[in-house]
Amino acid sequence: SQTIHQWPATLVQPVGSPLSLECTVEGTSNPNLYWYRQAAGRGLQLLFYSVGIGQISSEVPQNLSASRPQDRQFILSSKKLLLSDSGFYLCAWSTGGAVETQYFGPGTRLLVL
Amino acid sequence: AQSVTQLGSHVSVSEGALVLLRCNYSSSVPPYLFWYVQYPNQGLQLLLKYTSAATLVKGINGFEAEFKKSETSFHLTKPSAHMSDAAEYFCAVPGGNKLTFGTGTQLKVEL
Repeated sequence: SQTIHQWPATLVQPVGSPLSLECTVEGTSNPNLYWYRQAAGRGLQLLFYSVGIGQISSEVPQNLSASRPQDRQFILSSKKLLLSDSGFYLCAWSTGGAVETQYFGPGTRLLVL
Repeated sequence: AQSVTQLGSHVSVSEGALVLLRCNYSSSVPPYLFWYVQYPNQGLQLLLKYTSAATLVKGINGFEAEFKKSETSFHLTKPSAHMSDAAEYFCAVPGGNKLTFGTGTQLKVEL
């Protein structure tokens, strides 16, 4: 069966520090991968998605970036965190395009102070 | 672009009462619609999915949703609420390579 992992589960970082969040999927090949952010009162915002290794589409211009170095690994990064980067970050995978069910990881709660 | 609107950011019901969570889609008829649920401090999980095969869709945990073209709606219902249904519920519609989510409805179930 397929599983999705995210780490760390929680993170407290000072403003201006770097960020690296990791997501890995097991039990499937060539998944579509997604990064979302939930900020208080702002719903679920798609940040990046990837349909293959090295292929990243950005949905929202900001100080975050994403990379997919391996088929089932998706990394969210920042060189310098802002206060507004605080939120709950969710990784998800699907077998194909947007009409397919997305399966979400447990999330990473990030607090930038 | 396709979008969905969820009316009511917070809904409160008594245990055993009917649950009704509202979702309306934008004017063009979508071939697919989703409802996801998010329990506290967890990721989202699929409740049910509309694929144009049937207008009444049954999902997990006793939930169902009915696609009504005349009302551009896809409301989520459950006949009898349980305490374990307390969560946030999201309606979503696909467009291009991505899924667009509604702003969510927080369901509170009271004794």
